[in-house]
Amino acid sequence: AQKVTQAQTEISVVEKEDVTLDCVYETRDTTYYLFWYKQPPSGELVFLIRRNSFDEQNEISGRYSWNFQKSTSSFNFTITASQVVDSAVYFCALTPNSGAGSYQLTFGKGTKLSVIP
Amino acid sequence: GAVVSQHPSWVICKSGTSVKIECRSLDFQATTMFWYRQFPKQSLMLMATSNEGSKATYEQGVEKDKFLINHASLTLSTLTVTSAHPEDSSFYICSARGRRTSGTSYNEQFFGPGTRLTVL
Repeated sequence: AQKVTQAQTEISVVEKEDVTLDCVYETRDTTYYLFWYKQPPSGELVFLIRRNSFDEQNEISGRYSWNFQKSTSSFNFTITASQVVDSAVYFCALTPNSGAGSYQLTFGKGTKLSVIP
Repeated sequence: GAVVSQHPSWVICKSGTSVKIECRSLDFQATTMFWYRQFPKQSLMLMATSNEGSKATYEQGVEKDKFLINHASLTLSTLTVTSAHPEDSSFYICSARGRRTSGTSYNEQFFGPGTRLTVL
């Protein structure tokens, strides 16, 4: 069974602060994908990143960065210099990339980020 | 990236009626489609997975006779909520994965914008 835990239910930061959203996962699969999605108030899921379990390199995309640590089963997401437009619910998700259930996403409960101007 | 559309974006219906939600892949062939339900302030819960031309596989606790899924073509899947009741009010999201017209596969799911169902 797979499980994704986002322990932070809600976070509030003041604009321009950095913020890290935590994600811890559990899986018995040896190969898997990890994802982060953003869900603004409109409801549409916005894809942010996909990480293959083979690839533990951290990634930076503009103000976004991701820290994947297989040893601790964590895939944390940091937004630097946060902006009001970053206010949304962020979901971490996991899927095996082979076998039964492959591509079926297991989502965490989400972290609601509020960026205060 | 690939585009998935959903129609309608919102619907209000009376209790006891049936509602059909369409999910279309616009520029790729969706060999697998997924239907999720999201209650307010909660996460997405997978309801069912359907492969084109096959019967859908429902997750535990999801009534297949109430949530009818049809995936008859490589670009269209429909979810019909039969005899809807107020407790079925939710945000329904579909996603799809499949292959480009060139034949190469997409490894990720692409999500539709969601349909907000309100049952009075």
